[in-house]
Amino acid sequence: AQTVTQSQPEMSVQEAETVTLSCTYDTSESDYYLFWYKQPPSRQMILVIRQEAYKQQNATENRFSVNFQKAAKSFSLKISDSQLGDAAMYFCAYRSGGSQGNLIFGKGTKLSVKP
Amino acid sequence: KAGVTQTPRYLIKTRGQQVTLSCSPISGHRSVSWYQQTPGQGLQFLFEYFSETQRNKGNFPGRFSGRQFSNSRSEMNVSTLELGDSALYLCASSSQQGGVSGNTIYFGEGSWLTVV
Repeated sequence: AQTVTQSQPEMSVQEAETVTLSCTYDTSESDYYLFWYKQPPSRQMILVIRQEAYKQQNATENRFSVNFQKAAKSFSLKISDSQLGDAAMYFCAYRSGGSQGNLIFGKGTKLSVKP
Repeated sequence: KAGVTQTPRYLIKTRGQQVTLSCSPISGHRSVSWYQQTPGQGLQFLFEYFSETQRNKGNFPGRFSGRQFSNSRSEMNVSTLELGDSALYLCASSSQQGGVSGNTIYFGEGSWLTVV
């Protein structure tokens, strides 16, 4: 079975600085997708960034980028120029490439942004 | 394009009662899935429906059930509520049209269920 591990329960960053959230996963599959979701206090789960396993190029979305290391099964999220609105729980998630794949989540990292 | 819509947003039920939660997916999305979020267990997959058929199911007791209608709207039902069923229930949808876009899952705002 696939598993997702987020080893940092909490992280803190100064406004305008850069922070990296870690995520590792375990799978024997070759076709899969990886996601980072943000959950602010409102509890709405918001998609931050996504990555296809067979694409070597790391995904980027404005201030958010990932470091996808397929061999190491690592999928870290880098947030540049951190803003107060980035404060939230961040979940790393895995989805099999098959049509019946549900999301498997890590336990989350709570990010605080200091002004 | 409207997002995933869940109703009701908040509800309080008594032990032993049943509850029905409703979800309207993003227009054009045919896959609807449900997740339970609790402080202790985190985010857990309940089930997924596609074209009115349950395609995938998580490890939850039979008290948890769901269905999907021809317009892709979905409902989940929990019977004989227990205190431990208190949670945020998240509905999500995807188009399932292939590639990363088709396999991206979008979430609603959730339904907060409190069992007393």
